[in-house]
Amino acid sequence: GQQVMQIPQYQHVQEGEDFTTYCNSSTTLSNIQWYKQRPGGHPVFLIQLVKSGEVKKQKRLTFQFGEAKKNSSLHITATQTTDVGTYFCAGTGGGNKLTFGTGTQLKVEL
Amino acid sequence: DAGVTQSPTHLIKTRGQQVTLRCSPKSGHDTVSWYQQALGQGPQFIFQYYEEEERQRGNFPDRFSGHQFPNYSSELNVNALLLGDSALYLCASSLLRGKGETQYFGPGTRLLVL
Repeated sequence: GQQVMQIPQYQHVQEGEDFTTYCNSSTTLSNIQWYKQRPGGHPVFLIQLVKSGEVKKQKRLTFQFGEAKKNSSLHITATQTTDVGTYFCAGTGGGNKLTFGTGTQLKVEL
Repeated sequence: DAGVTQSPTHLIKTRGQQVTLRCSPKSGHDTVSWYQQALGQGPQFIFQYYEEEERQRGNFPDRFSGHQFPNYSSELNVNALLLGDSALYLCASSLLRGKGETQYFGPGTRLLVL
């Protein structure tokens, strides 16, 4: 079945440093979605990418969908303590089933 | 405009018991998906309901069953609970437009099986 992996599993950064998480799928995706989950919370939708090579920005967050639609990345510029949480990518290969990645836990230190 | 709501927020059961979790979708949404999230892992898809029918199912045993009502709300039932069923159960609602519509998650129900 479809598998979605993310690296790194954990990332500790100093406030102001940049952060990137990478997402790789074993199969071609119809689209990729990114979610953020704060400790003790539930996943919150951030963005959806659909087109091959698509790049979208949300303030300090930049999302990219690979040309082959099998990988994606999330880059945060100048991290802040409010960025703390686990970032998940999730993709659909067909139909409506969403397969989540393994997640990257981000910790930001002052 | 209420978001996705779930009840109860927390639940403690013992092995062998049965549990029912409830979900009300976001206003205007017609599709409900259920996920299981074990500690430290990503959510795993259980199944999805649309028009009161199970449309798609993940790799979960028949002990996991569900239902969708005419008002689009949904229930997740788990029979013969195992210790490994302890997890956060998330409900997500969406508007069925085809492939990969955006899903909005509820706060979840934390189930502990002793």
